Amino acid sequence: SQKIEQNSEALNIQEGKTATLTCNYTNYSPAYLQWYRQDPGRGPVFLLLIRENEKEKRKERLKVTFDTTLKQSLFHITASQPADSATYLCALERDSGYALNFGKGTSLLVTP
Amino acid sequence: NAGVTQTPKFQVLKTGQSMTLQCAQDMNHNSMYWYRQDPGMGLRLIYYSASEGTTDKGEVPNGYNVSRLNKREFSLRLESAAPSQTSVYFCATQKGDSPRGEAFFGQGTRLTVV
Repeated sequence: SQKIEQNSEALNIQEGKTATLTCNYTNYSPAYLQWYRQDPGRGPVFLLLIRENEKEKRKERLKVTFDTTLKQSLFHITASQPADSATYLCALERDSGYALNFGKGTSLLVTP
Repeated sequence: NAGVTQTPKFQVLKTGQSMTLQCAQDMNHNSMYWYRQDPGMGLRLIYYSASEGTTDKGEVPNGYNVSRLNKREFSLRLESAAPSQTSVYFCATQKGDSPRGEAFFGQGTRLTVV
């Protein structure tokens, strides 16, 4: 069966450090992978999309890598800030071609 | 430009009652979705609509019905609510046709069935 796995344990890091979150998947052949941020009581908000032919993508302090051989994506936040504290979700397109399947998310806490 | 708007934001139902969750988008996207989010389970797709006039079951459709009223609106109906349907419900729409891109979510409806 298809699975999207993210670290279930919360990640606690100090302000200014780089946070690295992992997304592993099985039984997908994705054309792209997406990352979202979710704050408590809010809906997920899109951050980045990386296509299968892209190894790395950056947006401001965010960097995503995508290794289709390892079936893994890494999400990095450099120079992290307390405002980066949230749950981060990775997502892959469903076989139907419509909608996304989401991992359960990793909670990030950045402390001053 | 409101994006994706859901109503209501909060609702408490008694077991067996019915209700409809409303969702409207002003982004002119063809595809719309309903997800539920439960602690430890993540987001699970209930139903989706690829375009106006079409709907399909997702991962957890039992106990729900949907209507794609027009391009803008996609409603989710609980005919006879059960405590297992206590959850946070999100409506979403997705950019593009092929390939599709980023998804946009509403603010959610927190539903409690007692």
